[in-house]
Amino acid sequence: GQNIDQPTEMTATEGAIVQINCTYQTSGFNGLFWYQQHAGEAPTFLSYNVLDGLEEKGRFSSFLSRSKGYSYLLLKELQMKDSASYLCASNAGNNRKLIWGLGTSLAVNP
Amino acid sequence: IAGITQAPTSQILAAGRRMTLRCTQDMRHNAMYWYRQDLGLGLRLIHYSNTAGTTGKGEVPDGYSVSRANTDDFPLTLASAVPSQTSVYFCASSDLPGGSGGELFFGEGSRLTVL
Repeated sequence: GQNIDQPTEMTATEGAIVQINCTYQTSGFNGLFWYQQHAGEAPTFLSYNVLDGLEEKGRFSSFLSRSKGYSYLLLKELQMKDSASYLCASNAGNNRKLIWGLGTSLAVNP
Repeated sequence: IAGITQAPTSQILAAGRRMTLRCTQDMRHNAMYWYRQDLGLGLRLIHYSNTAGTTGKGEVPDGYSVSRANTDDFPLTLASAVPSQTSVYFCASSDLPGGSGGELFFGEGSRLTVL
């Protein structure tokens, strides 16, 4: 089957930079999403990468390497409000449905 | 404000009862989805609809049914609720099917407890 792997938990300090990694199976891969989900809330879209390279959106950047089956989300100048779960999802397979990772719970400490 | 609305936000239900979770979007998106989210299991797709009049099964469809009579509405029905259906349910929509790169817009979720 198709698997998405990402770390379960991460901790970082306010103002710092954190990188959240995601690996996926490359078979049939078409693109990769990152979503943010605060506790008790719905996921919200952060980024979608189809081509190799880094895409920057303000404090958040997302990187993709299709050949390695690897992506990361980079969060700069961390703020307390960035404490959330970050979900990686790949767009793969013949049925083109999303395959979701279990999420990385990020705690930003003062 | 345009968006996607779910109801109810929270419900406690006796096992064996029938329950319908409502979902309405006003963005004229073609595709709609129902997910359940459980601790340690992540988001799992229950059913989806790529366009009005069509539906498909996701990863965990058993015990659930959906209909898509029009573009805006996508109700999820539990015919006879069981405790294992206790979960947070999210409805989502996208202009393109998520598997084709469409950004998903999620409703606020419906927390369902089956006793």
